[in-house]
This record gives sequence, C-alpha cells and structure tokens, in this order.
Amino acid sequence: ETGVTQSPTHLIKTRGQQVTLRCSSQSGHNTVSWYQQALGQGPQFIFQYYREEENGRGNFPPRFSGLQFPNYSSELNVNALELDDSALYLCASSFPYSAEAFFGQGTRLTVV
Amino acid sequence: EDQVTQSPEALRLQEGESSSLNCSYTVSGLRGLFWYRQDPGKGPEFLFTLYSAGEEKEKERLKATLTKKESFLHITAPKPEDSATYLCAVQEGYNFNKFYFGSGTKLNVKP
Repeated sequence: ETGVTQSPTHLIKTRGQQVTLRCSSQSGHNTVSWYQQALGQGPQFIFQYYREEENGRGNFPPRFSGLQFPNYSSELNVNALELDDSALYLCASSFPYSAEAFFGQGTRLTVV
Repeated sequence: EDQVTQSPEALRLQEGESSSLNCSYTVSGLRGLFWYRQDPGKGPEFLFTLYSAGEEKEKERLKATLTKKESFLHITAPKPEDSATYLCAVQEGYNFNKFYFGSGTKLNVKP
C-alpha cells in the first residue's frame, strides 16, 4: 500500500476524444509526476508538478496537460486521443526532498 | 539524454537458482539509481536507491550494487513469489520523481 490512489483503474475511449485521469497522493507529497507505460516497456516521463506548477516535461506533445491541487490530488488530461495513447498511466509522488517515489496502481487507458 | 538499458529482457530460473540482472546507464551526472519491482497490472514498488559507485544495499533475497557504468540486482535463492518485472531507473538532476526507466527484466521463478 503506497498511499497513492489512481482513478479510474480502466478506461476505454474513442480516438479524438478527451480524457482526464486522477491521482490522489498522501498528505505532504508536494511533488507528483506522471508516466506513460506501453506494454512491455518501462515507464516514460510525461511531466512533473511541484507546488501546483509544472516543473519539467518529457517528450510529449502539448495535448498532454496536467494540474496539481492544494489537497495533494492531481490530474492528467489528454486531448485528441490517438490509438498510440493506449497505455498504463502512472502517477508517482513523494515527500519534499525525498528520493523515494510512491507509485499508484495505474490507469489502463485503451483508445479504440 | 540519459539512457538506461536492462538485460536480459526475460529470465527464467528454478527456485533456489541464484542469478543477476544488469542495468547499464549513461548519464551526464548520476544523482541516483533506483530499482523497482512491478507486478502485472500494478504500479512499480520501490526497492532500492544507490547514489555512488561501490554502494550496496540488501533486502531479503535481493542485493543491489552500483559501479560507474552499471548496476546489478543479485537474486539469491529466489522463490516463486519473486517473479515480477524488475525496473531500473536513473534520476534526472535534482527533479525528484523525474526518472528515466529501462524496459525491465521479466523474472519468472519456477517451483
């Protein structure tokens, strides 16, 4: 049990639609990152939020966006879904200045 | 950009048969190397952090070591419950939670 909860666990969307994935972190986790994990691959860094501001971004287009809220929850939004967006989406959070990141169980997104 | 390569991609062991997983990395300045375990359909579970060459950490049947170019995860007398995908990641700068992951080694331990 990591104390990081993601919702929903599974989701099916149609190409071109928009989706919002949610992550609820432990109290005090002021850093949250989102990752995309394709089948058989390691997680790929999408972006990181620190104190509600984006603080680093990987090689993902602007249609991937996020929000972090004061209550230690966060969102990942993806617009104009493409088939290649089908993956497991993971959020990871940590206490300030801690190297140990706690991952949620992920949201499995399928785009058809 | 930081690169992380894991080998082998898959490893099948008999219960009790010890082995090692490899993680090689190229980074401009290593801040930390991390090992995670991931079970099917779940998020990665933190195992170890290593910061400098020569450092070693142990947890039950697992031992992680670090050199300047690579890290090893040694598994001693594995059990079926050790079956999982083991992921290696390097930390980018001082951005906590910004990791570059390898593709993982899928370990299958047969009873």
